[in-house]
Amino acid sequence: ETGVTQTPRHLVMGMTNKKSLKCEQHLGHNAMYWYKQSAKKPLELMFVYNFKEQTENNSVPSRFSPECPNSSHLFLHLHTLQPEDSALYLCASSQETASSTDTQYFGPGTRLTVL
Amino acid sequence: AQKVTQAQTEISVVEKEDVTLDCVYETRDTTYYLFWYKQPPSGELVFLIRRNSFDEQNEISGRYSWNFQKSTSSFNFTITASQVVDSAVYFCALKDRGNEKLTFGTGTRLTIIP
Repeated sequence: ETGVTQTPRHLVMGMTNKKSLKCEQHLGHNAMYWYKQSAKKPLELMFVYNFKEQTENNSVPSRFSPECPNSSHLFLHLHTLQPEDSALYLCASSQETASSTDTQYFGPGTRLTVL
Repeated sequence: AQKVTQAQTEISVVEKEDVTLDCVYETRDTTYYLFWYKQPPSGELVFLIRRNSFDEQNEISGRYSWNFQKSTSSFNFTITASQVVDSAVYFCALKDRGNEKLTFGTGTRLTIIP
């Protein structure tokens, strides 16, 4: 089983749609992350969950709503998005955020296009 | 504040040539961790290496080698005898001790020409 999986791999949605991105990790980790990767910009950390508790919200607009029901699953609920939200959304997991030797492992990403 | 600079936006080399990707970092912490990730066209960031600030030994893994120099705050990555499969965007990243944030550079797009 691949370490971190994401579905769907590609998503096209209108500005009035509601959709969700799913991430699942099979590494036994306790921390999960959402990143946004836009063209010609550094990766932007969006949210961090450690043991199912949100520990970081990096000033993300409320049209992005994360959910972490357990340590293996992470969702990103999307509603009323804007065209500038089009990007590659990457999920990552790690053992736990407080660990000094923590290494993040990434999924393949969801390529989102907002029309 | 943490900062990672990858000054080389794009590099192209002919297959079998050696290539070095530069990474310069800034941090106020004395204990920190440096990473390299590879992002092929498929999109997934593939973890390549983690280096601790207190271990300045260079590392070699097959055709890959890393040169960590605290004196110049650099953590450079060399690919020897490059292959077409090495074509990807490579990211350098920094994490301070006790900080859950990973700070990425802007990446270097490497193209290996057959």
